Amino acid sequence: DAGITQSPRYKITETGRQVTLMCHQTWSHSYMFWYRQDLGHGLRLIYYSAAADITDKGEVPDGYVVSRSKTENFPLTLESATRSQTSVYFCASSGREWDTQYFGPGTRLTVL
Amino acid sequence: GQQVMQIPQYQHVQEGEDFTTYCNSSTTLSNIQWYKQRPGGHPVFLIQLVKSGEVKKQKRLTFQFGEAKKNSSLHITATQTTDVGTYFCAGPPLGVTSGSRLTFGEGTQLTVNP
Repeated sequence: DAGITQSPRYKITETGRQVTLMCHQTWSHSYMFWYRQDLGHGLRLIYYSAAADITDKGEVPDGYVVSRSKTENFPLTLESATRSQTSVYFCASSGREWDTQYFGPGTRLTVL
Repeated sequence: GQQVMQIPQYQHVQEGEDFTTYCNSSTTLSNIQWYKQRPGGHPVFLIQLVKSGEVKKQKRLTFQFGEAKKNSSLHITATQTTDVGTYFCAGPPLGVTSGSRLTFGEGTQLTVNP
């Protein structure tokens, strides 16, 4: 019973590099979300997806790209990482619209 | 756009004291959800309230949803060190038919001194 997993858990990269954060859920939830959480702050929505091949922007989408070719996977790519993208990234999934969200353990990303 | 505000931002209590955090939305909510995030952990769902004026209890935790469905509170009776963490409220605006977004408050960070 893996639930929702994220990889890698920790990542250090350099400015300008491309980075992909992976998210995988085993519940076949329709909805998936990417949030970033900066130190001492709340959760800000980057992108979300209502189903495979359906994605939409959240509050802070600039500099990020997502795809969802399969229901269970929702990778987040930073096309050219910047220091301001240093953060903890959480993936979440939900079975129904507006319903409870289940969060993954997070990826701590540092951009040098 | 919709804003969800939580107060206080930080709360330090002695073990055994009560604790309350308040959540206020700029728009009427369809439901309100509460999450807890332990230090270094990820947000974990606690409860969802749907009805106007609804009150729900989970052991020492009492959750209320306001009559106007624009505010909510979480009250913890006799805090314990296991209550340490950040408590977030979140909710979708009433009447929105697409988007499935939850707007999260900034959270209240609770520390408990043993």
